[in-house]
Order: sequence, then structure tokens, then C-alpha cells
Amino acid sequence: QSALTQPPSASGSPGQSVTISCTGTSSDVGGYNYVSWYQQHPGKAPKLMIYEVSKRPSGVPDRFSGSKSGNTASLTVSGLQAEDEADYYCHSYAGSNNFVVFGGGTKLTVL
Amino acid sequence: QVQLQESGPGLVKPSETLSLTCTVSGYSISSGYYWGWIRQPPGKGLEWIGIIHHDGSTYYNPSLKSRVTISVDTSKNQFSLKLSSVTAADTAVYYCARVPHLVVRGVIIADYFDYWGQGTLVTVSS
Repeated sequence: QSALTQPPSASGSPGQSVTISCTGTSSDVGGYNYVSWYQQHPGKAPKLMIYEVSKRPSGVPDRFSGSKSGNTASLTVSGLQAEDEADYYCHSYAGSNNFVVFGGGTKLTVL
Repeated sequence: QVQLQESGPGLVKPSETLSLTCTVSGYSISSGYYWGWIRQPPGKGLEWIGIIHHDGSTYYNPSLKSRVTISVDTSKNQFSLKLSSVTAADTAVYYCARVPHLVVRGVIIADYFDYWGQGTLVTVSS
């Protein structure tokens, strides 16, 4: 069961936008619209930021948005703020055999 | 407010069985949803372990399936994880989470993980 591919790091200055990619295959990201994104600050549990590719849970700022094209999903953080500095993980449903797969994580640095 | 709390030994010897319990408050496990376990080795990414429904149906990570058992106790509003024959590679922070799901043409789809416990570090060492 291979993890989804994310860049190890991403960065941006306050106020800028940054996009984090999550690449899978037609058996996971490309085959289903069940992609979610999680934010994790050091020593804390992951927090759901985006589900079903582009939906935001209540309480998540609209600066966070999600999209998908083919086998690659993306998380965009607009108007970067210092508190956005964290690790971000993508997740996808991966079919009835593998079921669930996570990305390796991206460390977002706010410069 | 849904809350989850992991509990169990923080130190397990190699070859023994790791046992953890997740206690859910603010929501009855019997009311629905799947409930899952995810782990994170120190400094590494998330790894899904498995999920369970209150009716006892389970789905496991194929790479861990031979060593994992997840069970549910609706009377205590808890679900549990057992991982056998542990090695140092099983050292990780273990999280429990709630899993909204869908049923599409009779197939269960684990949609996302919306509520998480704070996590508990389990170290495998003699």
C-alpha cells in the first residue's frame, strides 16, 4: 500500500498563497472524490481542514481550499498567516482492498 | 462535543501485544459512524491501522492485518486496538478517530476522519 506523494516542504510569506500537492493513482485520488486534508501542529493531533476534495468543515477559515485534477489533489492556503505553519497530510479512499491511504506529509513554513 | 481519549500502556516489550482503548464521550458509538485507529512513528507521517463499526464490521490496513484486532464495547462506549508481535518499528503515537462513511452500491467508503483523540505514545522496548 503506497503512500500518496506530497512535497516534503512548502513555504510562503505572510499574505501570500501556497499550494500543496498530493499525487496518487487512478485507484485512489483519481478514482474517487474522497480526498481530505489535515493540519497538524507539533505535538498535537491532526485537524480536519478539507473533506471530499473541496468541502470545509465548520470553523475552518475560507482561506483554505481544496481541488483535484486527475490523480493529483491540491490544498491551497491563501492569505498565509503565522498560525498556518504546520504539517499538512492528505488522505484518500483507496478502494475496497487498500481502503485508506495517507500522504507522507508536507511541512509548511511561513517565512 | 465529541471527544475521544486513548488509554493504555506507554511501554510494551518486543514480541508482546500492544493494547489500547479509545473512550468516546459526547456521542454514542451505537448511533453510527465507523471508528478508527491511526498511528504516527516519531518524526514520520500518518499510517492508517483499521476501522470498526458498532455492529463489529472491520476494515484493516493490509500491511498490518495479520497482527491487528479492533473490537468495540458499546456498553462502555469504547473501542480497542490489539497489535501482536510488536517490534521497535511499532513505536508510534497512536490516535483514535471518528470516521464518517458512505455506502455506495453496497461498498463501505471511509470518507474522512473528523474527530481525533490527543494521541498516546507507545514505545516498544525491552
